[in-house]
Amino acid sequence: DIQMTQSPSTLSASVGDSVTITCRASQSISTWLAWYQQKPGKAPTLLIFSASGLQSGVSSRFSGSGSGTEFTLTISSLQSDDFATYYCQQYDNYPLTFGGGTKVEVK
Amino acid sequence: EVQLLESGGGLAQPGGSLRLSCVASGFTFSAYTMIWVRQAPGKGLEWVSSITGDGFTGDGGRTYYADSVKGRFTISRDNSKNTLSLQMNSLRAEDTAVYYCAKDRCSTASCFNNDYWGQGTLVTVSS
Repeated sequence: DIQMTQSPSTLSASVGDSVTITCRASQSISTWLAWYQQKPGKAPTLLIFSASGLQSGVSSRFSGSGSGTEFTLTISSLQSDDFATYYCQQYDNYPLTFGGGTKVEVK
Repeated sequence: EVQLLESGGGLAQPGGSLRLSCVASGFTFSAYTMIWVRQAPGKGLEWVSSITGDGFTGDGGRTYYADSVKGRFTISRDNSKNTLSLQMNSLRAEDTAVYYCAKDRCSTASCFNNDYWGQGTLVTVSS
C-alpha cells in the first residue's frame, strides 16, 4: 500500500498569512493526488485534483503543486473560513489512501 | 442539485450486521463510480470501498475493498433506485466511525477523487 505522510500535523496561522502543507508519498504516484478540506462535523470537500487542478467553485487562493512523491498545498491570504483540517489522498492505485491530516488553527 | 443522503447507521454489537444506504439525486447515478469512506472518532479519513459506474469503460459494478473490510463488507448499487449500499457483517469495535458515501468527479472514466459527499452516518460497534 502507498503511505501518505503529511506535515505538519498542526499549523498555527493568522488571517492574511500564506501557509503551505506538505504531503509525501511512499512511492511515486505521478500527479494522482487530491486535496480535501474538512471542517468539524462536516464531510470533506474537494479542493485540488491531479495535484494542481483547481476544483470548480474553489477559491484561487488554494493551489497545489508537485509530482512523484512530494506535493504541496498552498493557501494564500488565509481567510477565517479556511481554518480547517486538510487531507491529501493518492489515487495512483488501490487501496486509495489518505494522509493523516493537517489542522490549520488560529494563531 | 447533487444530493447524497446516507442512512442505516446506529448501534451494533460486535459480530453483528448493519446495512448502510446512500440515496443519490441530481445526477445520472448509474454513470459514476461511488465510494464509501469512513472516519473513526477524532481520526483521519479511511477509504472503505468503491464500485464502478456504467460510464467506466462500460464495465460497471466492479468492486474494490480495503483489506480491513474485505470479506466482511459488501458494496452494491441499485441504479434503478439511485441507491448505493454497504452491507457490513462481522462488525468489530474498530469499525466504529462516521461513514460517508461520495460521488466520483468524472463519469466517462473514474477520476478516483470525489466532488460530492453525503453528510455521513454514524456506526457504533459496542456491547
